[in-house]
Amino acid sequence: DIVMTQSPDSLAVSLGERATINCKSSQSVLYSSDNKNHLSWYQQKPGQPPKLLIYWASTRQSGVPDRFSGSGSGTDFTLTITSLQAEDVAVYYCQQYHSGPFTFGQGTKLEI
Amino acid sequence: EVQLVESGGGLVQPGGSLRLSCVASGFTFSNFWMSWVRRAPGKGLEWVANIKEDGNEKNYVDSVKGRFVISRDNAKNSVYLQLNSLRAEDTALYYCARDGLWPDVGGFDHWGQGSLVTVSS
Repeated sequence: DIVMTQSPDSLAVSLGERATINCKSSQSVLYSSDNKNHLSWYQQKPGQPPKLLIYWASTRQSGVPDRFSGSGSGTDFTLTITSLQAEDVAVYYCQQYHSGPFTFGQGTKLEI
Repeated sequence: EVQLVESGGGLVQPGGSLRLSCVASGFTFSNFWMSWVRRAPGKGLEWVANIKEDGNEKNYVDSVKGRFVISRDNAKNSVYLQLNSLRAEDTALYYCARDGLWPDVGGFDHWGQGSLVTVSS
């Protein structure tokens, strides 16, 4: 199984500042047949289901504010939130869908 | 508008069974893989199982293989998760999720609100 490891486990950032969350996979999630990184990022707020933010490592889901961006390739990925807003307080997860089981990182709790 | 609505959760004794249902609307259900994902209390997300558009391919996480069965009825726009031989560690909020339509969208692009399963004597 591919193990996904996020860092840090929790993060406190001031309003208007940048938040950076890292995700490392135990093996590459770059699919040779389509040259895409099979990596997604989710935001989960209390009492709500997860929300897809980023897929293919860097493609923003429709309706997601452009302050959210994803980068990286192979085994190392980053979710960046520029100009943090109060509504961004949540737990963030990375997930690989390269090969089953489709494992998630342990989550990063983002606070103000 | 895409909607996924789960039902069927509840309190069950260890060794018992439950069947979760997820009814989909707002999209052509038979065109999409579907998944179940769970979140145990105080823990992170865990993918549990998925099923191909026509139901002919199913995959499971090792911890539920042989105990859980995923199925679907495209005529009813529904996906199911039969949970057997339940253990305390299966206690979780179970989400139904739609797999993105490759190659345009990856990941799980729509989620239900979840159905709570509690395994306790």
